[in-house]
Amino acid sequence: DARVTQTPRHKVTEMGQEVTMRCQPILGHNTVFWYRQTMMQGLELLAYFRNRAPLDDSGMPKDRFSAEMPDATLATLKIQPSEPRDSAVYFCASGLRDRGSGSNQPQHFGDGTRLSIL
Amino acid sequence: QQPVQSPQAVILREGEDAVINCSSSKALYSVHWYRQKHGEAPVFLMILLKGGEQKGHEKISASFNEKKQQSSLYLTASQLSYSGTYFCGTPNAGGTSYGKLTFGQGTILTVHP
Repeated sequence: DARVTQTPRHKVTEMGQEVTMRCQPILGHNTVFWYRQTMMQGLELLAYFRNRAPLDDSGMPKDRFSAEMPDATLATLKIQPSEPRDSAVYFCASGLRDRGSGSNQPQHFGDGTRLSIL
Repeated sequence: QQPVQSPQAVILREGEDAVINCSSSKALYSVHWYRQKHGEAPVFLMILLKGGEQKGHEKISASFNEKKQQSSLYLTASQLSYSGTYFCGTPNAGGTSYGKLTFGQGTILTVHP
């Protein structure tokens, strides 16, 4: 089965350090989403790409977070500098959107990166 | 706006039924349902596309009422494997955010033997 691959699975680092999370979407999928999940806030959308172009990053703190898609097989989410409040599980999801299906296609989630900032 | 799910948590014994509701304050064109087991990623269950449409996944089915701007997930004869957190997601209607899902806060379902 095709899967979304995220690395690393776990990351523990000290406050102030740069954190980079990577995501390999399912081959052929043209949409990529980054989510953050915490007990308090639930599942929040941070950024959304279609055909590698960023469409919506309104959920992302702009001063420290950045998201990119250098190519169709790699999406990255960076935090610099990291803070304890960034501790969460970060999920990447991919999907296929065409003109016909619009938003009516499922999102396939990776296993997530569990981030702890000390 | 985030859709509202109810109840927040449900505890069942195997074989019992449950209903999870998802309501939106904005017009709905479709509703997505996902299940997340503890420590795992959310997994897609189904998408409801039309008003009144019902779809099924194993013994889990769902309905979608456009007029009421809500969807309900029905879990029949629950099994231990149904335990997890259920999320509904509602897509944005247009613009560059078309395709973006806003998820509800989730409903925690626990099934006991």
